[in-house]
Amino acid sequence: SQELEQSPQSLIVQEGKNLTINCTSSKTLYGLYWYKQKYGEGLIFLMMLQKGGEEKSHEKITAKLDEKKQQSSLHITASQPSHAGIYLCGADNRGAGSYQLTFGKGTKLSVIP
Amino acid sequence: GAVVSQHPSWVICKSGTSVKIECRSLDFQATTMFWYRQFPKQSLMLMATSNEGSKATYEQGVEKDKFLINHASLTLSTLTVTSAHPEDSSFYICSAVLTSGIRETQYFGPGTRLLVL
Repeated sequence: SQELEQSPQSLIVQEGKNLTINCTSSKTLYGLYWYKQKYGEGLIFLMMLQKGGEEKSHEKITAKLDEKKQQSSLHITASQPSHAGIYLCGADNRGAGSYQLTFGKGTKLSVIP
Repeated sequence: GAVVSQHPSWVICKSGTSVKIECRSLDFQATTMFWYRQFPKQSLMLMATSNEGSKATYEQGVEKDKFLINHASLTLSTLTVTSAHPEDSSFYICSAVLTSGIRETQYFGPGTRLLVL
């Protein structure tokens, strides 16, 4: 089965600083999803990457998928307290005939004002 | 964006009772919905795949007789935790798949927190 490893597990940054969260897969990714979750709440869809080398941006968040499609990074520029939460990467298992997602354990981001 | 709701948002019940959780896609139809379970400080674990008009597919280790899933329509899936026990206390999240062309994206509900006493 596919495994996703996220790093770091937690991150504390000063407001205004940039940060990067990584997600590494044990297998080639068919699709890679980034979600944000506030504790005890549902997941908010951020971005989906599918092509090797693909990069997408939404406001101050940029996500990239490497050429080999086994690693993705999420970069936040000039972080704000509103960026605080748990960031989860999810892998699409469609290559195995199903598009259920397997998730990493998440990265907890705290932004200090 | 697509909206998925869950009801109730939280529930407290006595051990041995059954609890039903609803997952609705509010502004789109979803042939497929997923049910996940999340323990504190852990990631989401897929429990089952709910397909409209057919039986749900359960992940290994998930008891289908304990976690009953019904996908009665293209906008509603229900998860019933039967004879709940304290170890069933958890955060249950559903997602609904929105298909647009060749792209399928999962949108998640806000979750239901279950506490079994």
